[in-house]
Amino acid sequence: NAGVTQTPKFQVLKTGQSMTLQCAQDMNHNSMYWYRQDPGMGLRLIYYSASEGTTDKGEVPNGYNVSRLNKREFSLRLESAAPSQTSVYFCASSQILTESSYNSPLHFGNGTRLTVT
Amino acid sequence: AQSVSQHNHHVILSEAASLELGCNYSYGGTVNLFWYVQYPGQHLQLLLKYFSGDPLVKGIKGFEAEFIKSKFSFNLRKPSVQWSDTAEYFCAVKAAGNKLTFGGGTRVLVKP
Repeated sequence: NAGVTQTPKFQVLKTGQSMTLQCAQDMNHNSMYWYRQDPGMGLRLIYYSASEGTTDKGEVPNGYNVSRLNKREFSLRLESAAPSQTSVYFCASSQILTESSYNSPLHFGNGTRLTVT
Repeated sequence: AQSVSQHNHHVILSEAASLELGCNYSYGGTVNLFWYVQYPGQHLQLLLKYFSGDPLVKGIKGFEAEFIKSKFSFNLRKPSVQWSDTAEYFCAVKAAGNKLTFGGGTRVLVKP
């Protein structure tokens, strides 16, 4: 049982380059999330998808786009990478949107460490 | 906007010492509270959660947390730590109608 799988694990980009981070979950969860983790700032929500076919902005959406490809997959795209986007990115999923249920903890992937030079 | 504060960014202690990590939040209404742990090189995992009832919550690996509503706090404790407790610990709060908000994290280093 893989849980939440993210690819790639590491990536180095030059300013202005684009890339897509992939995320897939095999737990039949309805809701998926993208967070970034920065030292001293905890995890900040970039975008989320309450259910297949819907996406919404989180706290820090600028510079990112997302696609909920199907129930399993939720990708994060950086169209024109900037050094401020150097971070560790985590994908997560939950049975249903955490805002709707208190009994829906997040399951996280192993993260993608992105460096933008 | 709700916020979550973790007072200590880094904690260093020896094996068998007691651990207490502070967490305070700003929202005044009904909240649900979580502690997540991230071991070196791994993803975040749920350590324990509080929804209602007994304010003293027991989680995995001997951890517990106490919800004190009057103090807006949800501190994490472990009476006797082990080297394997070296990790980063995140407090998270969810208020009704709001998204889950994480604190900044506390890195704990347990010396053998």
